[in-house]
Amino acid sequence: DAGVIQSPRHEVTEMGQEVTLRCKPISGHNSLFWYRQTMMRGLELLIYFNNNVPIDDSGMPEDRFSAKMPNASFSTLKIQPSEPRDSAVYFCATTRGSGGAADTQYFGPGTRLTVL
Amino acid sequence: AQSVTQPDIHITVSEGASLELRCNYSYGATPYLFWYVQSPGQGLQLLLKYFSGDTLVQGIKGFEAEFKRSQSSFNLRKPSVHWSDAAEYFCAVGATNAGNMLTFGGGTRLMVKP
Repeated sequence: DAGVIQSPRHEVTEMGQEVTLRCKPISGHNSLFWYRQTMMRGLELLIYFNNNVPIDDSGMPEDRFSAKMPNASFSTLKIQPSEPRDSAVYFCATTRGSGGAADTQYFGPGTRLTVL
Repeated sequence: AQSVTQPDIHITVSEGASLELRCNYSYGATPYLFWYVQSPGQGLQLLLKYFSGDTLVQGIKGFEAEFKRSQSSFNLRKPSVHWSDAAEYFCAVGATNAGNMLTFGGGTRLMVKP
């Protein structure tokens, strides 16, 4: 199994530009999570999906952030417009189960975003 | 709401020495507890998890952790550290009333001296 795949691995952009981060979950996994990791705030959950439906997006910082999961094999996290304070590592994680905190989350390698 | 505290931001140990990383949680019922490891430039990898039963759980790479309800702790241990264990370690708690959501601690960065 290829594991959770994220692209790009690194992204450098200028303030005001649109940024799209992509995630391909492990085949058969029903839940998908987007996290942001910074030195100041640690790991923060932004949003999670179950069976392609957004369940909790209370962690999404602002309207500039949006996430979609059009099918079971693909999710995107979009920032428009981007700001320097969005610079962070963004992780995607997936679980096999469809509910319950007992499910093990499998993390992708992350996308390091730098907004100049 | 649940919370997790990892009191030690940095820890340095000598190779071959024993290791204990502290984790304290706050949650009203029995939580699901996890330890993840993050190597530089990598995503998080699960080391071990506790749901119920035996309070001493074994994980990968020779790690173990002990759940102590009276102390609200879930400390991670390894009897003999290897240089390859240098990484950042995250404790996390999952609550049964919070769906799939995990709350992570701030992490402990482990450095290993030769």
